[in-house]
Amino acid sequence: AQKVTQAQTEISVVEKEDVTLDCVYETRDTTYYLFWYKQPPSGELVFLIRRNSFDEQNEISGRYSWNFQKSTSSFNFTITASQVVDSAVYFCALIARSNDYKLSFGAGTTVTVRA
Amino acid sequence: ETGVTQTPRHLVMGMTNKKSLKCEQHLGHNAMYWYKQSAKKPLELMFVYSLEERVENNSVPSRFSPECPNSSHLFLHLHTLQPEDSALYLCASSQVGGSSGNTIYFGEGSWLTVV
Repeated sequence: AQKVTQAQTEISVVEKEDVTLDCVYETRDTTYYLFWYKQPPSGELVFLIRRNSFDEQNEISGRYSWNFQKSTSSFNFTITASQVVDSAVYFCALIARSNDYKLSFGAGTTVTVRA
Repeated sequence: ETGVTQTPRHLVMGMTNKKSLKCEQHLGHNAMYWYKQSAKKPLELMFVYSLEERVENNSVPSRFSPECPNSSHLFLHLHTLQPEDSALYLCASSQVGGSSGNTIYFGEGSWLTVV
């Protein structure tokens, strides 16, 4: 069985603050992929990043950065200098062979950035 | 611009109506999906088509009927729906196998209201 937990339901910050979204996962597979998606109010789920289980390098893309730590089964996401356009629901997700490569989503974290 | 397009974006239908949601992917993928997202509920996988064959049907009521005429198109036919079926319906596609890590790309969603 696999599971993704996003313990933070809602986070509210003021513009230019940094915000970190937590994601903890469970899987018995040794090969798996982790994802983050962004869902703005319009509804579309926007793919942000994919990480495979063999690559623990942290990644930075503009104001976004990801910290993958297998030792703690975590894949956290940080938005630096947040902007109002970052307001959205963010989902962490996992794919593994034992679940027929179907996405397991976390419950999502709603981020509100106030001007 | 998303590689997965859905129409219509918004649909209001009565409980006795028959309507269809349409999805088209321009990414050359070999798998397509329907997800349902209700308020305050996690994303639910409804159907999966791989190589145009239905490989997953997650106990979805028969009032929802999928159709995948080719690898680029996916439909969700709706008939005699209930008000609790009101939700955001998301289409998605992925390339199963290969080096993409089964990354799933979503469309913008179709907001369905059943009255």
